[in-house]
Amino acid sequence: KQEVTQIPAALSVPEGENLVLNCSFTDSAIYNLQWFRQDPGKGLTSLLLIQSSQREQTSGRLNASLDKSSGRSTLYIAASQPGDSATYLCAVNTGFQKLVFGTGTRLLVSP
Amino acid sequence: SQTIHQWPATLVQPVGSPLSLECTVEGTSNPNLYWYRQAAGRGLQLLFYSVGIGQISSEVPQNLSASRPQDRQFILSSKKLLLSDSGFYLCAWNQENQGGTDTQYFGPGTRLTVL
Repeated sequence: KQEVTQIPAALSVPEGENLVLNCSFTDSAIYNLQWFRQDPGKGLTSLLLIQSSQREQTSGRLNASLDKSSGRSTLYIAASQPGDSATYLCAVNTGFQKLVFGTGTRLLVSP
Repeated sequence: SQTIHQWPATLVQPVGSPLSLECTVEGTSNPNLYWYRQAAGRGLQLLFYSVGIGQISSEVPQNLSASRPQDRQFILSSKKLLLSDSGFYLCAWNQENQGGTDTQYFGPGTRLTVL
Protein backbone atom coordinates (compact mmCIF):
# COMPACT_ATOMS: atom_id res chain seq x y z
CA LYS A 1 0.00 0.00 0.00
CA GLN A 2 1.38 3.37 -1.05
CA GLU A 3 2.06 5.78 1.79
CA VAL A 4 3.13 9.40 1.42
CA THR A 5 4.87 11.34 4.17
CA GLN A 6 5.65 15.04 4.28
CA ILE A 7 8.26 16.61 6.50
CA PRO A 8 8.13 18.99 8.24
CA ALA A 9 4.47 19.19 9.24
CA ALA A 10 4.83 22.92 9.82
CA LEU A 11 7.44 25.51 8.93
CA SER A 12 7.79 29.17 9.84
CA VAL A 13 10.35 31.37 8.06
CA PRO A 14 11.02 35.07 7.60
CA GLU A 15 10.33 36.64 4.26
CA GLY A 16 13.08 36.23 1.68
CA GLU A 17 14.36 32.86 2.80
CA ASN A 18 14.78 29.95 0.42
CA LEU A 19 13.14 26.80 1.71
CA VAL A 20 12.70 23.12 0.94
CA LEU A 21 9.68 20.95 1.57
CA ASN A 22 10.08 17.20 1.56
CA CYS A 23 7.86 14.39 0.38
CA SER A 24 8.59 10.69 0.52
CA PHE A 25 6.63 7.72 -0.77
CA THR A 26 6.96 4.01 -0.11
CA ASP A 27 6.27 2.49 -3.54
CA SER A 28 8.32 3.73 -6.46
CA ALA A 29 5.80 2.43 -9.01
CA ILE A 30 4.19 5.80 -9.71
CA TYR A 31 3.08 7.55 -12.89
CA ASN A 32 3.69 11.06 -11.66
CA LEU A 33 3.89 13.25 -8.59
CA GLN A 34 2.09 16.52 -8.04
CA TRP A 35 2.57 19.39 -5.65
CA PHE A 36 -0.53 21.32 -4.63
CA ARG A 37 -1.16 24.43 -2.59
CA GLN A 38 -4.16 24.74 -0.27
CA ASP A 39 -5.19 28.01 1.37
CA PRO A 40 -7.25 27.74 4.58
CA GLY A 41 -10.78 26.56 3.87
CA LYS A 42 -10.16 26.41 0.13
CA GLY A 43 -9.69 23.84 -2.57
CA LEU A 44 -6.36 22.71 -3.99
CA THR A 45 -4.36 24.50 -6.64
CA SER A 46 -1.96 22.46 -8.71
CA LEU A 47 1.57 23.88 -8.64
CA LEU A 48 3.76 21.38 -10.45
CA LEU A 49 3.41 17.93 -11.94
CA ILE A 50 6.45 15.74 -12.52
CA GLN A 51 6.08 12.69 -14.73
CA SER A 52 7.84 9.54 -13.54
CA SER A 53 10.39 9.88 -16.34
CA GLN A 54 11.32 13.44 -15.34
CA ARG A 55 13.76 14.64 -12.71
CA GLU A 56 12.44 18.14 -12.09
CA GLN A 57 9.95 20.83 -13.03
CA THR A 58 10.16 24.57 -12.56
CA SER A 59 7.53 27.28 -12.40
CA GLY A 60 8.64 30.76 -11.42
CA ARG A 61 10.14 30.62 -7.92
CA LEU A 62 9.13 26.98 -7.50
CA ASN A 63 11.25 23.99 -8.39
CA ALA A 64 10.21 20.41 -7.75
CA SER A 65 12.51 17.42 -8.05
CA LEU A 66 11.75 13.74 -8.18
CA ASP A 67 13.97 10.78 -7.32
CA LYS A 68 11.67 7.89 -8.01
CA SER A 69 14.14 5.17 -7.10
CA SER A 70 14.58 6.54 -3.59
CA GLY A 71 10.94 7.53 -3.22
CA ARG A 72 11.59 11.23 -2.65
CA SER A 73 10.51 14.58 -3.96
CA THR A 74 11.38 18.08 -2.84
CA LEU A 75 9.68 21.40 -3.46
CA TYR A 76 12.09 24.32 -3.42
CA ILE A 77 10.66 27.80 -2.92
CA ALA A 78 13.05 30.65 -3.65
CA ALA A 79 12.86 34.06 -2.01
CA SER A 80 9.75 33.24 0.00
CA GLN A 81 6.98 35.84 0.36
CA PRO A 82 4.08 36.20 2.84
CA GLY A 83 1.73 35.27 0.00
CA ASP A 84 3.37 31.84 -0.09
CA SER A 85 1.83 31.05 3.29
CA ALA A 86 -0.41 28.01 2.80
CA THR A 87 -0.43 24.25 3.20
CA TYR A 88 1.57 22.40 0.57
CA LEU A 89 0.49 18.88 -0.36
CA CYS A 90 2.24 16.31 -2.45
CA ALA A 91 0.40 13.47 -4.12
CA VAL A 92 1.60 10.45 -6.07
CA ASN A 93 -0.38 9.04 -8.93
CA THR A 94 -0.50 5.27 -8.79
CA GLY A 95 -2.41 5.08 -12.04
CA PHE A 96 -6.06 4.57 -12.91
CA GLN A 97 -7.34 7.73 -11.31
CA LYS A 98 -5.72 7.19 -7.94
CA LEU A 99 -3.89 9.98 -6.15
CA VAL A 100 -2.40 9.25 -2.75
CA PHE A 101 -1.82 12.41 -0.73
CA GLY A 102 0.53 13.30 2.06
CA THR A 103 -0.77 15.17 5.11
CA GLY A 104 0.90 18.38 4.04
CA THR A 105 3.35 20.98 5.27
CA ARG A 106 1.85 24.16 6.72
CA LEU A 107 4.06 27.07 5.73
CA LEU A 108 4.01 30.51 7.35
CA VAL A 109 6.17 33.25 5.86
CA SER A 110 6.46 36.28 8.12
CA PRO A 111 6.98 39.82 6.77
CA SER B 1 -11.96 27.53 -19.92
CA GLN B 2 -13.06 24.87 -17.50
CA THR B 3 -14.58 25.59 -14.10
CA ILE B 4 -15.74 23.35 -11.30
CA HIS B 5 -18.46 24.23 -8.83
CA GLN B 6 -19.46 22.72 -5.53
CA TRP B 7 -22.40 23.47 -3.30
CA PRO B 8 -23.20 24.11 -0.67
CA ALA B 9 -20.00 25.75 0.58
CA THR B 10 -20.78 24.90 4.19
CA LEU B 11 -23.29 22.58 5.80
CA VAL B 12 -24.21 21.72 9.38
CA GLN B 13 -26.32 18.60 9.75
CA PRO B 14 -27.53 16.51 12.70
CA VAL B 15 -26.48 12.89 13.09
CA GLY B 16 -28.83 10.58 11.23
CA SER B 17 -29.93 13.15 8.66
CA PRO B 18 -29.49 12.66 4.90
CA LEU B 19 -26.82 14.34 2.80
CA SER B 20 -26.53 15.52 -0.77
CA LEU B 21 -23.48 17.40 -2.07
CA GLU B 22 -23.29 18.45 -5.67
CA CYS B 23 -20.40 19.05 -8.03
CA THR B 24 -20.60 20.29 -11.60
CA VAL B 25 -17.94 20.93 -14.20
CA GLU B 26 -18.23 23.40 -17.07
CA GLY B 27 -16.26 23.74 -20.26
CA THR B 28 -15.33 20.12 -20.87
CA SER B 29 -16.97 16.85 -21.81
CA ASN B 30 -16.57 13.29 -20.56
CA PRO B 31 -14.34 14.23 -17.63
CA ASN B 32 -13.19 11.86 -14.93
CA LEU B 33 -14.78 13.00 -11.67
CA TYR B 34 -13.61 12.42 -8.12
CA TRP B 35 -14.82 12.90 -4.53
CA TYR B 36 -12.24 13.33 -1.77
CA ARG B 37 -12.61 13.90 1.96
CA GLN B 38 -10.16 15.80 4.11
CA ALA B 39 -10.69 15.07 7.79
CA ALA B 40 -9.02 17.14 10.50
CA GLY B 41 -5.35 16.22 10.81
CA ARG B 42 -5.50 13.73 7.97
CA GLY B 43 -4.59 13.79 4.33
CA LEU B 44 -7.05 13.79 1.47
CA GLN B 45 -8.72 10.46 1.00
CA LEU B 46 -10.21 9.39 -2.31
CA LEU B 47 -13.80 8.29 -1.76
CA PHE B 48 -15.23 7.75 -5.26
CA TYR B 49 -14.30 8.27 -8.86
CA SER B 50 -16.27 8.08 -12.08
CA VAL B 51 -15.12 7.69 -15.67
CA GLY B 52 -18.58 8.12 -17.19
CA ILE B 53 -22.30 8.48 -16.60
CA GLY B 54 -23.51 5.84 -14.19
CA GLN B 55 -20.00 4.47 -13.65
CA ILE B 56 -18.91 4.78 -10.03
CA SER B 57 -15.93 3.20 -8.29
CA SER B 58 -15.76 3.21 -4.51
CA GLU B 59 -12.43 3.35 -2.76
CA VAL B 60 -13.45 3.25 0.88
CA PRO B 61 -16.31 1.28 2.43
CA GLN B 62 -18.58 3.68 4.30
CA ASN B 63 -22.12 4.96 4.56
CA LEU B 64 -21.62 7.35 1.65
CA SER B 65 -22.59 6.81 -1.96
CA ALA B 66 -22.00 8.67 -5.21
CA SER B 67 -23.95 9.06 -8.41
CA ARG B 68 -23.31 10.60 -11.81
CA PRO B 69 -26.66 11.33 -13.41
CA GLN B 70 -25.20 13.57 -16.11
CA ASP B 71 -21.84 13.82 -17.86
CA ARG B 72 -20.65 16.79 -15.83
CA GLN B 73 -22.53 16.28 -12.56
CA PHE B 74 -21.29 14.27 -9.59
CA ILE B 75 -23.33 13.86 -6.41
CA LEU B 76 -22.24 12.59 -3.00
CA SER B 77 -25.00 11.27 -0.77
CA SER B 78 -25.76 9.62 2.51
CA LYS B 79 -29.00 8.28 3.94
CA LYS B 80 -27.89 8.74 7.57
CA LEU B 81 -24.92 10.86 8.56
CA LEU B 82 -22.45 9.83 11.26
CA LEU B 83 -20.28 12.11 13.38
CA SER B 84 -17.26 10.67 11.57
CA ASP B 85 -18.58 12.02 8.27
CA SER B 86 -17.56 15.54 9.28
CA GLY B 87 -14.84 16.98 7.09
CA PHE B 88 -13.99 18.99 4.04
CA TYR B 89 -15.29 17.40 0.85
CA LEU B 90 -13.53 18.16 -2.39
CA CYS B 91 -14.62 17.36 -5.90
CA ALA B 92 -12.05 17.14 -8.68
CA TRP B 93 -11.92 16.46 -12.40
CA ASN B 94 -9.43 15.63 -15.05
CA GLN B 95 -9.51 14.80 -18.68
CA GLU B 96 -10.08 11.27 -19.78
CA ASN B 97 -6.88 9.55 -20.83
CA GLN B 98 -5.41 6.12 -20.62
CA GLY B 99 -4.37 5.32 -17.08
CA GLY B 100 -6.00 8.43 -15.65
CA THR B 101 -2.69 10.16 -15.05
CA ASP B 102 -3.54 13.70 -16.05
CA THR B 103 -3.38 16.43 -13.42
CA GLN B 104 -6.53 16.81 -11.35
CA TYR B 105 -8.33 20.13 -10.86
CA PHE B 106 -10.13 20.71 -7.62
CA GLY B 107 -13.29 22.56 -6.69
CA PRO B 108 -13.64 24.99 -3.77
CA GLY B 109 -14.91 22.31 -1.39
CA THR B 110 -17.82 21.83 1.03
CA ARG B 111 -17.24 22.04 4.78
CA LEU B 112 -19.56 19.50 6.46
CA THR B 113 -20.09 19.48 10.21
CA VAL B 114 -22.17 16.70 11.69
CA LEU B 115 -23.47 17.44 15.21
